[in-house]
Amino acid sequence: QQQVKQSPQSLIVQKGGISIINCAYENTAFDYFPWYQQFPGKGPALLIAIRPDVSEKKEGRFTISFNKSAKQFSLHIMDSQPGDSATYFCAARSPPGAGSYQLTFGKGTKLSVIP
Amino acid sequence: EAGVVQSPRYKIIEKKQPVAFWCNPISGHNTLYWYLQNLGQGPELLIRYENEEAVDDSQLPKDRFSAERLKGVDSTLKIQPAELGDSAVYLCASSLRTGGHVETQYFGPGTRLLVL
Repeated sequence: QQQVKQSPQSLIVQKGGISIINCAYENTAFDYFPWYQQFPGKGPALLIAIRPDVSEKKEGRFTISFNKSAKQFSLHIMDSQPGDSATYFCAARSPPGAGSYQLTFGKGTKLSVIP
Repeated sequence: EAGVVQSPRYKIIEKKQPVAFWCNPISGHNTLYWYLQNLGQGPELLIRYENEEAVDDSQLPKDRFSAERLKGVDSTLKIQPAELGDSAVYLCASSLRTGGHVETQYFGPGTRLLVL
């Protein structure tokens, strides 16, 4: 059972455009929602994260929008650059207890930013 | 500061052979994770250690997979015998857990395993 659904699977954006990746989750007990960026041959690296009591978090060109009632969250990359071309994973963390602190990842979105 | 170190980076073996992966976490990190990442998928947790104790190994296929973290620092993940379906990237991650504070997991580059 996939607990975190991510879309789209792939995304092509022109340089300077806005990249938007969406995730939906099922478990309302999740308490932390990070986004990871992964380049080929590298491990995932934390990009930005949000707690469910906040509706939006912005760090530079990257913004997370969080809709608790809809159980959805999204990553927006403003002014997308070719260097942003990578695979992006959303994740959700289980709270203390069963599955404590476990991260459940989406399947990833391969972003290509073309000049 | 050195990141999470994994070795080997690549491994090619024939099915039914044993294989082992090694991970050295970031210095001072008390929590260590092993993840499996299949092609086109997100990482899936195999096992989590807090210091030397395996606190979550519910998703580790114990018939062929084993792991250890002696002295609460380095860790080894072993597969014996390997099967064709084990071909994947094995990621190690570490974090510093201090009470209820949300900690960041730092990932290594992974070991890419190909079973022929």
